[in-house]
Amino acid sequence: GESVGLHLPTLSVQEGDNSIINCAYSNSASDYFIWYKQESGKGPQFIIDIRSNMDKRQGQRVTVLLNKTVKHLSLQIAATQPGDSAVYFCAENINTGNQFYFGTGTSLTVIP
Amino acid sequence: DAGVTQSPTHLIKTRGQQVTLRCSPISGHKSVSWYQQVLGQGPQFIFQYYEKEERGRGNFPDRFSARQFPNYSSELNVNALLLGDSALYLCASSPGMGDYNEQFFGPGTRLTVL
Repeated sequence: GESVGLHLPTLSVQEGDNSIINCAYSNSASDYFIWYKQESGKGPQFIIDIRSNMDKRQGQRVTVLLNKTVKHLSLQIAATQPGDSAVYFCAENINTGNQFYFGTGTSLTVIP
Repeated sequence: DAGVTQSPTHLIKTRGQQVTLRCSPISGHKSVSWYQQVLGQGPQFIFQYYEKEERGRGNFPDRFSARQFPNYSSELNVNALLLGDSALYLCASSPGMGDYNEQFFGPGTRLTVL
């Protein structure tokens, strides 16, 4: 079946540095993507989304890049802070309502 | 504004029992989806409901069922619980159906089956 996966299961960065979290998706029909942040014991928190007709979208300290040619997403976090430590998921939607497919996540640890 | 709320926060059941989990979506949202998240994995889609009708179903057995009420709140029921049903059950709400609907999650219900 189709799957969403992450290149790096864990990532450690120094406080103040920029973080890049990568995600590969396998379904070329996917047309909408959301990045979520999940802290221990909590539900996933919406960070930023991007539609398939876009290559880049920026939010507050975060940027999502979409490369449809190689079916790859990335989440860039600027000036990473200790509060950014969490598991990050990318989720894809394949034009089937609100059914999203999630990868296994990347655990980000920010070193003070 | 209140986000998605779920109850209870934690639940312990034994094998063979039945459980009902509850979810209230964000005010104004008409779509509710349920996900199961096993420890160490990403959420897996179970159901989507919109306007009280099932609009999507994931690869889960018939022991799993759900419904949506006129006020758009929802219940997830699981019968004949198995040890493998132990997980965090997440509810997500969206404004409606169709493309590009932002989906927001609740805090989840942690179900432990002994």
